Amino acid sequence: EAQVTQNPRYLITVTGKKLTVTCSQNMNHEYMSWYRQDPGLGLRQIYYSMNVEVTDKGDVPEGYKVSRKEKRNFPLILESPSPNQTSLYFCASSPRSGSGNTIYFGEGSWLTVV
Amino acid sequence: SQQGEEDPQALSIQEGENATMNCSYKTSINNLQWYRQNSGRGLVHLILIRSNEREKHSGRLRVTLDTSKKSSSLLITASRAADTASYFCATDEGNYQLIWGAGTKLIIKP
Repeated sequence: EAQVTQNPRYLITVTGKKLTVTCSQNMNHEYMSWYRQDPGLGLRQIYYSMNVEVTDKGDVPEGYKVSRKEKRNFPLILESPSPNQTSLYFCASSPRSGSGNTIYFGEGSWLTVV
Repeated sequence: SQQGEEDPQALSIQEGENATMNCSYKTSINNLQWYRQNSGRGLVHLILIRSNEREKHSGRLRVTLDTSKKSSSLLITASRAADTASYFCATDEGNYQLIWGAGTKLIIKP
């Protein structure tokens, strides 16, 4: 089954404790991205990757890091989480970059930073 | 930056009625997409409409695009309880990145 899988789905962590949210897709998609969703603000892109070893900042990259060493994986790293990073995070992929491509989303990761 | 803005923010209708939600945007676009999100879940693609298209259908969904008014509408006919969800439009700004609106929350009352 074609899917985007992200883990963990739910996480409560403390300020400053590094964490990684993993993301994997099995559709051989070139383009992957991370979003955060906050009430009333819609989806905001954090980082995106057009292909292996190619990453770029989205609209809200501060406090986050990513890497794309393999085509299928695109982990999101919070080096020193803060309470304002409490949010619902989505990993997504599409065959290529470009607004004419369907985006496939993971089920989301609820992150709480206390 | 927020390109697409949905209207209304929330909509509550009786099961069986039609639901219409709108998306307005500010600049020229190449494509516009609609997605559905069930509560707390991932978004699911519904329809993509290109700038040279005026209307597309998919089952009970009908999407229109009026580039002169910079707006799109999503019509769900004969609504069902399972249609309860948030609906998002996403547009580009003439480039390749999608920008998302804040969504319309649709509630279907039994």
